Amino acid sequence: GQNIDQPTEMTATEGAIVQINCTYQTSGFNGLFWYQQHAGEAPTFLSYNVLDGLEEKGRFSSFLSRSKGYSYLLLKELQMKDSASYLCAVTGGSYIPTFGRGTSLIVHP
Amino acid sequence: DTAVSQTPKYLVTQMGNDKSIKCEQNLGHDTMYWYKQDSKKFLKIMFSYNNKELIINETVPNRFSPKSPDKAHLNLHINSLELGDSAVYFCASSPRDREGPPLHFGNGTRLTVT
Repeated sequence: GQNIDQPTEMTATEGAIVQINCTYQTSGFNGLFWYQQHAGEAPTFLSYNVLDGLEEKGRFSSFLSRSKGYSYLLLKELQMKDSASYLCAVTGGSYIPTFGRGTSLIVHP
Repeated sequence: DTAVSQTPKYLVTQMGNDKSIKCEQNLGHDTMYWYKQDSKKFLKIMFSYNNKELIINETVPNRFSPKSPDKAHLNLHINSLELGDSAVYFCASSPRDREGPPLHFGNGTRLTVT
């Protein structure tokens, strides 16, 4: 089975940096994803990590440590529109993404 | 040119009814999925399907059944609806089950059972 943990809610200030952590336990590991979901909308893909290290994509970066079962999503220069849920998902032996419960990020002025 | 489209967007029905949600993808993907998102925003896999294999989450009641007339469609049929079935149902697709997504999601169907 798979177990994925992430904080339920985080708050941050516009212009700041925020790090959303995700820890996982899985039988077999193939990759880790981060998705963004605004209220009432579908999740949209942000990043995919297969190997250890940092993947940078504009204001968003994602880090993976397979030995520690740990990932984080780093959001820089926060904007109000970044207020959303951030979902960590892992694929194990079945290649079917299993999602964590999501982290609700609130960005305030 | 919507990539993954599902209908209807909203569905309100009474307990005991049978309903279907349709999903179509025009991305040429091989694998399609159904996820259920509950009131606490938890996305749970229900089914994964490609033209070779149907993978069912064993926790899904057999009142739920996926039906795929062709590679571009995966519909969800629900029999004898219950109050606890109220949720948002997302259809998704990905290129191939062994190449790692990302998943492309439809806009969701909000099902309310009264």
